[in-house]
Amino acid sequence: DQQVKQNSPSLSVQEGRISILNCDYTNSMFDYFLWYKKYPAEGPTFLISISSIKDKNEDGRFTVFLNKSAKHLSLHIVPSQPGDSAVYFCAASNSGTYKYIFGTGTRLKVLA
Amino acid sequence: GAVVSQHPSRVICKSGTSVKIECRSLDFQATTMFWYRQFPKQSLMLMATSNEGSKATYEQGVEKDKFLINHASLTLSTLTVTSAHPEDSSFYICSASGGGPNQPQHFGDGTRLSIL
Repeated sequence: DQQVKQNSPSLSVQEGRISILNCDYTNSMFDYFLWYKKYPAEGPTFLISISSIKDKNEDGRFTVFLNKSAKHLSLHIVPSQPGDSAVYFCAASNSGTYKYIFGTGTRLKVLA
Repeated sequence: GAVVSQHPSRVICKSGTSVKIECRSLDFQATTMFWYRQFPKQSLMLMATSNEGSKATYEQGVEKDKFLINHASLTLSTLTVTSAHPEDSSFYICSASGGGPNQPQHFGDGTRLSIL
């Protein structure tokens, strides 16, 4: 039973345009959500997070949106840059447990 | 800030060998450290959670006698894969968290373990 799903294994976007990465979850107990970026041969790097009391969190070019009724979150990258090319993982947790449940990742390729 | 160092990055060894992987938080105190395993084209799967000075909490299906975890200090946790076999070959990655439940985990770069 996969509680966190990233249904798009890959995404290609032109440099300068918006990248939108999506993530769905099934467990209504999740109340903290994160996005990580991963380059080959490196560990995931924390990008941005959002608590369930918010529906939007912004940090520079990165914005995370949370739709609790749809159990859906998305990461927007504007403008996209070639250096953003990586695998992006979303993760969800119930803040009472410290445990993260990860999606399977979306490979983003930003074309110059 | 929030740097986690994991060593070694790659191990190739014979079946029956025990392998120790270290995870260090370099610039913060990690009250909690986590060990994950990742199979090809799958997501990171949590194996165990360790808190400094106490026994690790293992996820269902993870053999605690096979995967020994020690978290002796606020900056170091170790995972020992005992008597490793080819089916233990995988990518192991640690993470560390220094604060409360809504503080992000910071990851090491992982260890690729190959058992011949």
